[in-house]
Amino acid sequence: AQSVTQLGSHVSVSEGALVLLRCNYSSSVPPYLFWYVQYPNQGLQLLLKYTSAATLVKGINGFEAEFKKSETSFHLTKPSAHMSDAAEYFCAVTAGSGGYQKVTFGIGTKLQVIP
Amino acid sequence: NAGVTQTPKFRVLKTGQSMTLLCAQDMNHEYMYWYRQDPGMGLRLIHYSVGEGTTAKGEVPDGYNVSRLKKQNFLLGLESAAPSQTSVYFCASSFRPSGNYEQYFGPGTRLTVT
Repeated sequence: AQSVTQLGSHVSVSEGALVLLRCNYSSSVPPYLFWYVQYPNQGLQLLLKYTSAATLVKGINGFEAEFKKSETSFHLTKPSAHMSDAAEYFCAVTAGSGGYQKVTFGIGTKLQVIP
Repeated sequence: NAGVTQTPKFRVLKTGQSMTLLCAQDMNHEYMYWYRQDPGMGLRLIHYSVGEGTTAKGEVPDGYNVSRLKKQNFLLGLESAAPSQTSVYFCASSFRPSGNYEQYFGPGTRLTVT
């Protein structure tokens, strides 16, 4: 069984401030982890993914995430928030690579950027 | 490439009416998925397909049926709509069904059942 917990359904930051969105996972086997972003009235699109090649993963739009096995975390960060970062962010986990593997999504974190 | 497209974008149904949501992808992906998104609940998988002519139930399949007659299309049907099916529906596709293969999402269909 696998699960994802996103701490904080709403996060507000000032423009130019650090963005930190938290994601903790649970998985009985080595996980594959993803961050997706959803802009208003759009579908989800991939920000970045962890595939065991490197623990620090860089994604689009200046976002990055660090896989910490000891903390079972995959937090998303960006050094300086931009107004265009206002969106909802979803952490997702899947495990295994044979056949169909369920993808479990977190409940999402809405990021508000204050000018 | 258009990616994943969904039709219609919006729909209002009365309780008991039926409708079909159409999803199309032009990436030659074998795997396709239907999700519903509700506030505070993230995305929940309704049904998925691992290839043309094959479908399987996800975590919330009741009240929905699907068909995958062509590789590029995945249809979601509501035979008798209920207010509990008011939601935003997303279709997605992927090259592989697991591992590090991300899913590509359509823009969504916002359905209201009155």
